[in-house]
Amino acid sequence: EAGVVQSPRYKIIEKKQPVAFWCNPISGHNTLYWYLQNLGQGPELLIRYENEEAVDDSQLPKDRFSAERLKGVDSTLKIQPAELGDSAVYLCASSLGLSSSYNEQFFGPGTRLTVL
Amino acid sequence: AQTVTQSQPEMSVQEAETVTLSCTYDTSESNYYLFWYKQPPSRQMILVIRQEAYKQQNATENRFSVNFQKAAKSFSLKISDSQLGDTAMYFCAFMKPIISGTYKYIFGTGTRLKVLA
Repeated sequence: EAGVVQSPRYKIIEKKQPVAFWCNPISGHNTLYWYLQNLGQGPELLIRYENEEAVDDSQLPKDRFSAERLKGVDSTLKIQPAELGDSAVYLCASSLGLSSSYNEQFFGPGTRLTVL
Repeated sequence: AQTVTQSQPEMSVQEAETVTLSCTYDTSESNYYLFWYKQPPSRQMILVIRQEAYKQQNATENRFSVNFQKAAKSFSLKISDSQLGDTAMYFCAFMKPIISGTYKYIFGTGTRLKVLA
């Protein structure tokens, strides 16, 4: 079974440029998460989807970040415009959803963003 | 608010020895789940072990076991017979169902474990 797929793995951009990250969750997983992970820190939730609905986006900086999960499968996270402080690893994870009592999360390899 | 604290930023252990990583959390809830995740240098995070708060028995997965002390809000991870492949960042995580249809998932800041040959 394929795991969570993310692309690109690495991205280097100049500040004020837009950037987008793509995530394909494990087949059948209803819940999808986007996390921000700074160097030496734990993941911090940006947004969580249950199918195509964003049910927790309280930590998403909505002035520059946006996300979508059309058709409840793949998801895209966008930053426009990027700032120096956005340099981090962006992790995508998926889980079965509410049908699973403990909701184990499966993580993708992440996208390392460097903003110059 | 729930918090997860990992007080050991870095640890090292000799191969084949045993090491314990500590984690404490703060919550007023009685129903929740606790996890340990491993993130090797390649960065793909994987689940190591989980514990349901309502279970008194400590979870065990092969060489990995936990010491869950609910009253003390402590959830430590013990790795026995450490192997070089155990070198990674280890994150403690807390999950609490809030209301029907949503829940909260919080990660600690991690402990970097290095297994020495």
